[in-house]
Formats: sequence, C-alpha cells, structure tokens
Amino acid sequence: DTAVSQTPKYLVTQMGNDKSIKCEQNLGHDTMYWYKQDSKKFLKIMFSYNNKELIINETVPNRFSPKSPDKAHLNLHINSLELGDSAVYFCASSRILGWNTEAFFGQGTRLTVV
Amino acid sequence: AQSVSQHNHHVILSEAASLELGCNYSYGGTVNLFWYVQYPGQHLQLLLKYFSGDPLVKGIKGFEAEFIKSKFSFNLRKPSVQWSDTAEYFCAVNAMDTGRRALTFGSGTRLQVQP
Repeated sequence: DTAVSQTPKYLVTQMGNDKSIKCEQNLGHDTMYWYKQDSKKFLKIMFSYNNKELIINETVPNRFSPKSPDKAHLNLHINSLELGDSAVYFCASSRILGWNTEAFFGQGTRLTVV
Repeated sequence: AQSVSQHNHHVILSEAASLELGCNYSYGGTVNLFWYVQYPGQHLQLLLKYFSGDPLVKGIKGFEAEFIKSKFSFNLRKPSVQWSDTAEYFCAVNAMDTGRRALTFGSGTRLQVQP
C-alpha cells in the first residue's frame, strides 16, 4: 500500500493554464505538506495543513492555492501557470512535527510548463 | 529562521570507498535531525533520524550519522559505499521550539559511486 500518493506523476501543460495536483495519505497523519523541488534539487516548503487548517504559508504566489477537504487529502491548485513553475512538487505527511516525528513523502509530480 | 548547509554539492567515489557528507544547521535550540535519500527519479526516503539520546544513530543500508551539538553538525557516514548508493542526499532539521511545523532542508549532495 502506498502511504502517500500523488497524482499525476507527470504533468505537461501550456503557460496560462490552470492545473491541480492531488495528494492522499493513508497513514492516519494529521499534518500534510507541499514542497517544491527546483531544477537544482533544492527543496522548499510551500504549505502545511494540520487537521485541515493552514499552518504554514511560505512566500508563494497566490496563484497557488492548497485545499484540504479532510485530514487525508491535500490538493494543490495552480492558476495561470508560468514557465518558472516547472519543478517537482512533493506532498508529505506526518504527525504534527514537534513531537519527534518524521515526514513521509509521496512520489512527486513533475510539472513542466511549456 | 533555521537553515541547513550541506557543503559537498557533488561527491564522486569508487565502490568500497568510505563516505562522509557534511551537514550543519543554524539553530541553538532543540532539534530533530534527518537524512533523506532520493534515488534517481524517485521520492525521498528516510535514511535515519535523530530525536534524542545516543548522538550516534544508525539507519538503513549501513548508513550512520553523528550529532555533535557543539558543532551544530549531523554528518552522514558509510564505511564502504556501493554503486547502488548513487543518489541525492538531503539533510533536514526540525527546530522543535519555534512552532514551525515543517522540515528545513539543505541543498542536497549528489553522490556518484563509480564501479
């Protein structure tokens, strides 16, 4: 069973389009995250949700909007895609960090904007 | 805000060589420390973690890391690398007292093991 699953795995789209990436975890965790990995492999937190509540919102363009319908799901919607949005987006989950827990990552979604 | 530095960006080793990857973090309080590995085209997998107790922690696949609080370091080691260890390695920190509920990652070290 896949613990953290993301769909799609690959996404190629044109500039200006709107797209969504879905994430689901079956670990019973209460916290979920979106990370962006750029072309140089640098990983940076974008958003974090705890029990469907947004707790981290880094400096991310407001074209990016996370949505958490329940604790097991955290989706990422991106409006008006730009070339610079091309990256690998990783979803992760954990029990709320700060209590000696670790994060589990999904397979990643490679987004290519052309 | 906490930060993590990985000074080795690209390391090339021959099989059976010993490995040490550096990781330093900048936070004076209590931390949880992690090493993740990313094999080509795959997701991040946890290699090992430090929460408390013995500063020498052992992980999967023969990896270990030592937490040296006075040096703010958490270096990764393996006595004898294999070709299958070729991957990207990331150090990460969770600063426990800040209330920030997310890992901060270093920039990663690409390890290339030559047969």
